[in-house]
Amino acid sequence: SYVLTQPPSVSVAPGQTARIACGGNNIGSKSVHWYQQKPGQAPVLVVYDDSDRPSEIPERFSGSNSGNTATLTISRVEAGDEADYYCHVWDSGSDHVFGPGTEVTVL
Amino acid sequence: QVHLVQSGGEVRKPGASVKVSCQASGYSFSKYGISWVRQAPGQGLEWVGWISAYSGYTSYAQKFKDRVSLTTDTSTDTAFLEMRSLRSNDTAIFYCARTISVAGTGTAFDIWGQGTTVTVSS
Repeated sequence: SYVLTQPPSVSVAPGQTARIACGGNNIGSKSVHWYQQKPGQAPVLVVYDDSDRPSEIPERFSGSNSGNTATLTISRVEAGDEADYYCHVWDSGSDHVFGPGTEVTVL
Repeated sequence: QVHLVQSGGEVRKPGASVKVSCQASGYSFSKYGISWVRQAPGQGLEWVGWISAYSGYTSYAQKFKDRVSLTTDTSTDTAFLEMRSLRSNDTAIFYCARTISVAGTGTAFDIWGQGTTVTVSS
């Protein structure tokens, strides 16, 4: 089965840049999507297809994907960006797979 | 505005069944599929299955295929998840999500319901 890895937590100061890695075997060949989930709320799609952004998502959120690592980058981090972030891919052998999630803390 | 509104929380005893609904509004229901995702308390996201609102075709995660049925009612733009033989470790929030095609491989979930808490306890 296909497995995704993510760091359990990332801490960042306001105004700085947060980078969240999502590791997987040859993940660069797959489309990676990212979701933000705040406590008590449903997930929200923030990046899809590696680097596209839904219209309502700020440009501060961006994504990249190459080799064995996909990355969600949050620029100019704000307090409101505190949340859990999940990466997601579809794999022909495993169907839909989510990463374990990364908790982003704004210091 | 696009919305998915789910039914309220449910409490069931072990061995029972539960049926959760997800009503869509603001878009053409039959043009998209609906996926269901489970989140156990304090845990991550787990895909349960997908249904085409156009054809009714379904796809299930291997671990759920014997206990879950996904259906739709296009007259009310509503999707349903039914889970049977509930166990205590099925206690979770169940989310429905509109499923969109992407340029690359697979699909993404662009609109999510608010979630339905299913509690399994004797």
